This record gives sequence, structure tokens and C-alpha cells, in this order.
Amino acid sequence: GQNIDQPTEMTATEGAIVQINCTYQTSGFNGLFWYQQHAGEAPTFLSYNVLDGLEEKGRFSSFLSRSKGYSYLLLKELQMKDSASYLCAGTYNNNDMRFGAGTRLTVKP
Amino acid sequence: DVKVTQSSRYLVKRTGEKVFLECVQDMDHENMFWYRQDPGLGLRLIYFSYDVKMKEKGDIPEGYSVSREKKERFSLILESASTNQTSMYLCASSLSGQHLYGYTFGSGTRLTVV
Repeated sequence: GQNIDQPTEMTATEGAIVQINCTYQTSGFNGLFWYQQHAGEAPTFLSYNVLDGLEEKGRFSSFLSRSKGYSYLLLKELQMKDSASYLCAGTYNNNDMRFGAGTRLTVKP
Repeated sequence: DVKVTQSSRYLVKRTGEKVFLECVQDMDHENMFWYRQDPGLGLRLIYFSYDVKMKEKGDIPEGYSVSREKKERFSLILESASTNQTSMYLCASSLSGQHLYGYTFGSGTRLTVV
């Protein structure tokens, strides 16, 4: 399968910056998604990277390095409402999307 | 807004029962997917469909089947529910060949098999 690896849990302070890393298998890789999932809710789309580099969208940015099989999600000016799980997902071959186990982020005051 | 609706938010079934999980999307998406989500394992693909009456096995199809008689509806069937099928089930849909916005997920069905 296409292994998608990300840390299980992270903790950060309100107002700070946090970087959530994700590594993935490069064979057959198309693009990389990040989703946010609050407890008990459906995942919601955050970003999509297909080219190398940084995509910025407000407080959230996502980076991709295709040659290294590496991505990160950067969250700036953290707010309490950012406490959630962040899912890294890669699309492969025939549009299959493979998910990592998710990183549970806790934002503390 | 695209909507993916799952018929039940919470479901409790007995071992051996046949269980139907329904998913309906209202944006004419070609692709529909069923995942289960378990702590520490993330989302795992059970079945998917790229067209009406078409279905493909995902990573963990054993114990499940699906039905797609109409474009908007994708049903997941547990032929004989077992306790190891207790999980959160998520349905998703997407446009064919359109990756820009990824998948749209339903709110999930938390199934408990007792």
C-alpha cells in the first residue's frame, strides 16, 4: 500500500505556530491533501498540493516536496478552535486517496 | 454546497444482523467511497464506485458489499455484522478527475455491533 505517516499527537500554545509533518510513498503519487476533522465530525478540506512548494491560505499553509515524499501543514496564530485532528492524504494512480492515521492537535491557552 | 448525507448518525446492531448504511450526495458526483475510521488506523477504504452499477474493492472489503443502483446513492452492506465491525463509517464523494477540492465527506455513522 501507500504508507502515509504522520505524528499521532501534538500540543501547542494559543497564538503560536505549529508544523505537522507527513511522509508518503512516492510511487504512483499524484497529489497531497490535508483535511481537518473535529471530534465527532466529518473531515473537511484544507489544502491540496500537486506541485513542489508552499501554498498559503490565511493562517494555514501547506508544503510539498515530491522528490522527498514529504509534506507539512503549518498553522499560524493558533486558536483554541484549531484543536482537531489533521489528516494527511495522498492520491495515487487511479485517483485512489490514501489517508494517514491523523495527527491530533491540542491547543492550550 | 455539496452535501453528502448518511442516513444514520448512530446505530446499534446485534451480531449476525444484516446492516445497511445509506449515503446520498446531491451534486451529481461520479465517484463515491466508503471508509471506516478507527483510532490509530486512520481512514481505510472499504469499497468505491466511479459510476452507476460499478464497484471496486478497497483495502478492506471482507465482510462488506456495496450497491450503486443510482448515481446519487451508494449503500454499504454488512452481510452478517460482527463485533470487529464496530467503527465510524464515512461516506465520501468527488467529481471524476477533479482533485482540486478533494472529497466531500458525510457526517459519519458510528456503528456499534453488540
